[in-house]
Amino acid sequence: RKEVEQDPGPFNVPEGATVAFNCTYSNSASQSFFWYRQDCRKEPKLLMSVYSSGNEDGRFTAQLNRASQYISLLIRDSKLSDSATYLCAVNPYYGNNRLAFGKGNQVVVIP
Amino acid sequence: DGGITQSPKYLFRKEGQNVTLSCEQNLNHDAMYWYRQDPGQGLRLIYYSQIVNDFQKGDIAEGYSVSREKKESFPLTVTSAQKNPTAFYLCASRIQTPNSPLHFGNGTRLTVT
Repeated sequence: RKEVEQDPGPFNVPEGATVAFNCTYSNSASQSFFWYRQDCRKEPKLLMSVYSSGNEDGRFTAQLNRASQYISLLIRDSKLSDSATYLCAVNPYYGNNRLAFGKGNQVVVIP
Repeated sequence: DGGITQSPKYLFRKEGQNVTLSCEQNLNHDAMYWYRQDPGQGLRLIYYSQIVNDFQKGDIAEGYSVSREKKESFPLTVTSAQKNPTAFYLCASRIQTPNSPLHFGNGTRLTVT
């Protein structure tokens, strides 16, 4: 089983709608969870860290479910500019400083 | 402004040649990383370094080499032993505190023919 798995999509979302997707991780001892946004042929940029209690940043909400070993990202009121690939990143080993990435969820917001 | 600089942005090489990708950061980060990304794929870790003069292999280190002689610099050499070198290479860095995220450079797109 891969360390981090995401359904690549694409997720076609009407403008103004809500979209949500999950990222599963294999190591129950994983620490540190992040969502990154990557535009086509660009570097990933940090969207938000994911905290145990869940966190929100404007239209974006991230949640962590340790029991089922997944993190989620919800985008409300989708904008055309939200079209991108969303990568999840997990530090799978306690005390280790490497991050493992999923393949990303591709979101296409449709006018 | 602080950041991570990768150069060049595009690089073309003939098969059988070694090539070195540059990565410089002025964020005063201790840890630096090299990832590779292929079309439709996630990022795969090549090498990382947590301190000057020390580095560890990632998941796909074969055919690559690195050095960390200065805190600011972490160059990656793609050797002729790397079977499929054409890819998008990303350098990243982070501070050495728990739960700190990676910050990426803008990448080098390497094409080997």
